Amino acid sequence: GAVVSQHPSWVICKSGTSVKIECRSLDFQATTMFWYRQFPKQSLMLMATSNEGSKATYEQGVEKDKFLINHASLTLSTLTVTSAHPEDSSFYICSGGGRIYNEQFFGPGTRLTVL
Amino acid sequence: TQLLEQSPQFLSIQEGENLTVYCNSSSVFSSLQWYRQEPGEGPVLLVTVVTGGEVKKLKRLTFQFGDARKDSSLHITAAQPGDTGLYLCAGAGNNAGNMLTFGGGTRLMVKP
Repeated sequence: GAVVSQHPSWVICKSGTSVKIECRSLDFQATTMFWYRQFPKQSLMLMATSNEGSKATYEQGVEKDKFLINHASLTLSTLTVTSAHPEDSSFYICSGGGRIYNEQFFGPGTRLTVL
Repeated sequence: TQLLEQSPQFLSIQEGENLTVYCNSSSVFSSLQWYRQEPGEGPVLLVTVVTGGEVKKLKRLTFQFGDARKDSSLHITAAQPGDTGLYLCAGAGNNAGNMLTFGGGTRLMVKP
């Protein structure tokens, strides 16, 4: 149980375009989902916390107009990188929150490359 | 702000050796998770420890939660090349609604 999927697995886009990443909890309902960014050989950096039916809470330094998050249902959250630039290239990972011990279950990640 | 210091950052050992990874904090956590991540994939939950002093074993991996629930360790016995990866500890606060504080990660390489 506690499976999270992400789509797409990888994406290459031109500078200036927008990219949408989907995160789905497949076998549980995630009231809270989290979006992380990970740079090579580093730990996870929390970008935002997404609660179903309400606005996302962004971490300091993360532009909410740049990284649009929508959590429309208990099983789906989306992250849209708007007007992407090469510096947005990164590995983006989502997770859904478990209900017992505050654990998180992670998706497989999406590698974004902006040319 | 809760901080979780993880050490060592990097570890390169030979197959068959033992190793220990530490996570330390001045904050108390309600639970602590250990994850393992392989390149290009998301972290996979290995274990959750909840009770102070708790010890959990997962084959050759032994996880311990400190008595005061401020620190944790992961010990791997007779490491195998398949253990290679990034190990992450993450602590949950008492009120956070699943929010986790991550350690900086330990990158382990086990050479055959």
